[in-house]
Order: sequence, then C-alpha cells, then structure tokens
Amino acid sequence: NAGVTQTPKFRILKIGQSMTLQCTQDMNHNYMYWYRQDPGMGLKLIYYSVGAGITDKGEVPNGYNVSRSTTEDFPLRLELAAPSQTSVYFCASKAEQGLNQPQHFGDGTRLSIL
Amino acid sequence: AQSVTQLDSHVSVSEGTPVLLRCNYSSSYSPSLFWYVQHPNKGLQLLLKYTSAATLVKGINGFEAEFKKSETSFHLTKPSAHMSDAAEYFCVVSANDYKLSFGAGTTVTVRA
Repeated sequence: NAGVTQTPKFRILKIGQSMTLQCTQDMNHNYMYWYRQDPGMGLKLIYYSVGAGITDKGEVPNGYNVSRSTTEDFPLRLELAAPSQTSVYFCASKAEQGLNQPQHFGDGTRLSIL
Repeated sequence: AQSVTQLDSHVSVSEGTPVLLRCNYSSSYSPSLFWYVQHPNKGLQLLLKYTSAATLVKGINGFEAEFKKSETSFHLTKPSAHMSDAAEYFCVVSANDYKLSFGAGTTVTVRA
C-alpha cells in the first residue's frame, strides 16, 4: 500500500525555470492538499482539491498552479521559480469530509532555487 | 479563526524518562485536534486525534494526549522516551475540511 507518493524527492532549479511536482495517491481519496514547510514553521496550505476538476486556493497560492484531472493525481506547478519558493513541499490526502478525518502525507519534495 | 501554539520549540529528554510536549489552541468552536510526528526527511505521520469522544486520547507508539477545554490545551505525553522518538512533533487544529492550522513544531532529542 503506497499511500501518497511524491516525485521528485529533491530538485535544484535556477531562478526563472519552471517545474511540476508530482503527487499521486492510491487510496481513492477525494480531498488532496499541497503544503510548503519552511524552517521553524508549521505547514502552510498552498492549494487544495475536494475532487477531480475542483481546486481552490489556500493561504499561500501566489506563484503556484494546480490541476486535478483524476482522483489519483494532484500536480503542483511552479511557472517562474523564485528564491522565496525554496522549501519542502508536502502533498496530503484524506478520504472524506469531516473535521476528524486525518490527512495522510507524502514524504515531501525538497526544492532549492538558486 | 483557529490557531495553535506549541510552547516549546525544543525538548531534550533522557532515554527512559517521560516526555511532555505542550500545545495550546484557540478555536471559535469545538475543534478536532491532532498530533503528528515527522522524522528526518519524511512526511508527517499521525500519532493521535481528538474528536470529542474522550478527553484522554491514546495514540501509536505509547503516546497519549489529554484535551482540557478549560485550559484550551492538548498536551502530548509518553511515560518513557525511546531513542526512536527523536523527531519533530506538530500539534494541529482542524476547523473545516480545507483548513488545518499547524503549530511551529517541537523538536525532541533523546539522550542515551
């Protein structure tokens, strides 16, 4: 049971380059999320999705885009990489609606922009 | 609006001694609360969750947490620390399906 899988695990980008962080889950979860984690901080929500074809902004969406064409996949796109986007990115999913449903996290993508 | 404050950024304990990680929350209504653990270069793993069924919640790996509404606290404890408990711990409050508020985290080191 793979759970939430993120690729790549590490990446170095140059300023202005673009890339897509991949996230896939095999649990048939409707809800999916993208977070960034900066040193000494908790996680901040970038975008989330409540099902295929439905996405919405979180707390820090600027500089990012997402799509959700299937239940399994929720890629995060950086169009013009900036040093401020150096961070660790986590994808998460949960099964259903409800405050008490926990989110399941991937192992993260560590992104450096130089 | 909801928020979480973890009162200690770093906790150091000796192996075999108790661990206490403190968390205070604020929420405009009855929240769901979680503790997650993050080992180096890994994602967050759920330790336990509070959902109003019982104020003392037992989790994995011997951890438990007590919800105290009067103190707006949800402290995490373990009677006897193990070397494998060295990690970062996050207290999290959930007020709706898309909004989790994370504390800043507590780093636990365990001395042999």
